[in-house]
Amino acid sequence: GAGVSQSPSNKVTEKGKDVELRCDPISGHTALYWYRQSLGQGLEFLIYFQGNSAPDKSGLPSDRFSAERTGGSVSTLTIQRTQQEDSAVYLCASSFVPYRQTNPGYTFGSGTRLTVV
Amino acid sequence: TQLLEQSPQFLSIQEGENLTVYCNSSSVFSSLQWYRQEPGEGPVLLVTVVTGGEVKKLKRLTFQFGDARKDSSLHITAAQPGDTGLYLCAGPLRGYQKVTFGTGTKLQVIP
Repeated sequence: GAGVSQSPSNKVTEKGKDVELRCDPISGHTALYWYRQSLGQGLEFLIYFQGNSAPDKSGLPSDRFSAERTGGSVSTLTIQRTQQEDSAVYLCASSFVPYRQTNPGYTFGSGTRLTVV
Repeated sequence: TQLLEQSPQFLSIQEGENLTVYCNSSSVFSSLQWYRQEPGEGPVLLVTVVTGGEVKKLKRLTFQFGDARKDSSLHITAAQPGDTGLYLCAGPLRGYQKVTFGTGTKLQVIP
């Protein structure tokens, strides 16, 4: 597609349930990033993929969070046993290559707003 | 620890006024980017500044990178309601392949 697509756009789940968030990056973009944003604030890095491998997963808050990427394309972020503090907007971004000064920057999706009740 | 601190955190101004948003760090960045995010959307890249002391203009927006490459500013002249949004600075740490984002400045321009 022309842009980064995320689904669902909104998700309300009960505490303790598992959720899966999907990101479909721009075709040909090898780098894919997941960020979390709470209450319209700055972005918190979660994980970075280069192709199908994740060289940096240092931002994942706990072992309840995991992510995978298949075929160098679609990525899924899974949160197990959701907690209320997981409520946030989860943003996915992709870029042609990892960050470079001449890089046109990340292209972000519109995010998935997750609410844990 | 937040590597990129932005100020002010919130700003509400009347249409036609000028404003400046600041992005500061104790770390040196090889480059800094500015993004604008509107409600319900992801951030959109506005500009990348690369050279210390560099000034870039984008219509009514002027971006400056500090000489020491530790800070940047965004100046908006004659703000318009369409400028409303969350402004984020971002930059890579040396040797990192990911971008770290600032704390954000939420701007509201009142018609």
